[in-house]
Amino acid sequence: NAGVTQTPKFQVLKTGQSMTLQCAQDMNHNSMYWYRQDPGMGLRLIYYSASEGTTDKGEVPNGYNVSRLNKREFSLRLESAAPSQTSVYFCASSQTRGGGWNEQFFGPGTRLTVL
Amino acid sequence: GIQVEQSPPDLILQEGANSTLRCNFSDSVNNLQWFHQNPWGQLINLFYIPSGTKQNGRLSATTVATERYSLLYISSSQTTDSGVYFCAVERGAQKLVFGQGTRLTINP
Repeated sequence: NAGVTQTPKFQVLKTGQSMTLQCAQDMNHNSMYWYRQDPGMGLRLIYYSASEGTTDKGEVPNGYNVSRLNKREFSLRLESAAPSQTSVYFCASSQTRGGGWNEQFFGPGTRLTVL
Repeated sequence: GIQVEQSPPDLILQEGANSTLRCNFSDSVNNLQWFHQNPWGQLINLFYIPSGTKQNGRLSATTVATERYSLLYISSSQTTDSGVYFCAVERGAQKLVFGQGTRLTINP
């Protein structure tokens, strides 16, 4: 199992450009998440998808859109990148079960710089 | 929202020393995870521990949910233990809230 994979690993954009970060998991998990990590800080939730066909906002959703393409894939789109979106982006997945079990597993991250 | 505080923010030790990292949270939680972020940025799951005690080799963790804290113990530290340790909690709706982390440096 590859677990959670993300592409690309690194990306440099100019202000105003758009791009899509890709995430895929092969663990048959039903829930997927996008986080961002700024220097010296913990991760903050951008968006999540509890199941295929549903998405919900997290703590810092402004400037982002997401698509849960199927059970395996969850993409994050920046329509008009801004320097404030320079960060490391992590995708995660979990198999949410009754009783609150929700251990999340993380991908390797995408380091994005917006000039 | 729920607040997560980790202490100490930084810890520098010699190889072979033991350490205790603390995570306090401001409200009851459904889930709690400990992660190690290595120097390459990768997040490694250490423990899923909403309550009780677990051990994995030189690492162990204890969560006292009624008192709203969790402890991560590292014994006989090695240089490969260096990195940032994060505690993250979930209070419902599957949203993990992370602490600011403890940066651990193990010197040879």
